[in-house]
Amino acid sequence: QEQLAESGGALVKPGGSLRLSCVASGFAFKDYNMAWLRQPPGKGLEWISYISDTEYTLYYADSVRGRFTSSRDNRRKSLYLQMDSLTVDDTAIYYCARVLRYRFDMWGRGTPVTVSS
Amino acid sequence: VLTQSPDTLSLSPGESVTLSCRASQYVDKYLSWYQYKTGQPPKLLIYDSSLRATGVPARFTGSGSERDFALTISSLESEDFAVYYCHHRDDWTFGGGTRVEI
Repeated sequence: QEQLAESGGALVKPGGSLRLSCVASGFAFKDYNMAWLRQPPGKGLEWISYISDTEYTLYYADSVRGRFTSSRDNRRKSLYLQMDSLTVDDTAIYYCARVLRYRFDMWGRGTPVTVSS
Repeated sequence: VLTQSPDTLSLSPGESVTLSCRASQYVDKYLSWYQYKTGQPPKLLIYDSSLRATGVPARFTGSGSERDFALTISSLESEDFAVYYCHHRDDWTFGGGTRVEI
């Protein structure tokens, strides 16, 4: 069964850091481009990062560029999001998703991140 | 930039609805639609403007081109009450969403 499972969400203080993980199962992770997205409470979906299958191409939304870093380990079938200099506006449920020709065709269940003092 | 309208629709089961997604400039066909329910991950419904994702019921139809796109849900069922987002690959952003509520 194809699946994505995020972990690492937590309560963190403003200015702090957090690293999210996403483990894939049931499909050839190394062959797929991947993305991170988030849903802040009461707001809309927001794409925040794209990473190609070989990690050669990385894109970030303006709201996180310079603070967040995506990476992946294809041997471990894992995707990572390093989040630094967190602000209250980063509070959200964070999702990893598989990218298939410009669409997000599979999503994990999400992991909650709360930034609060 | 993708603009969705209206923000909220109040409907009843059995009714049909068309949700709008307008791009600020011409875009190609790579527009997709997602359904979002609280506590669940978003679900891909439509991709490439009009193609239904695997397992999506035929009552969901995507259409449109250039700047104007639409998602039509014919004969709403109780599980269809959710927030719907459009997305295009040009800048990876989503529209603001349309909430379909009872």
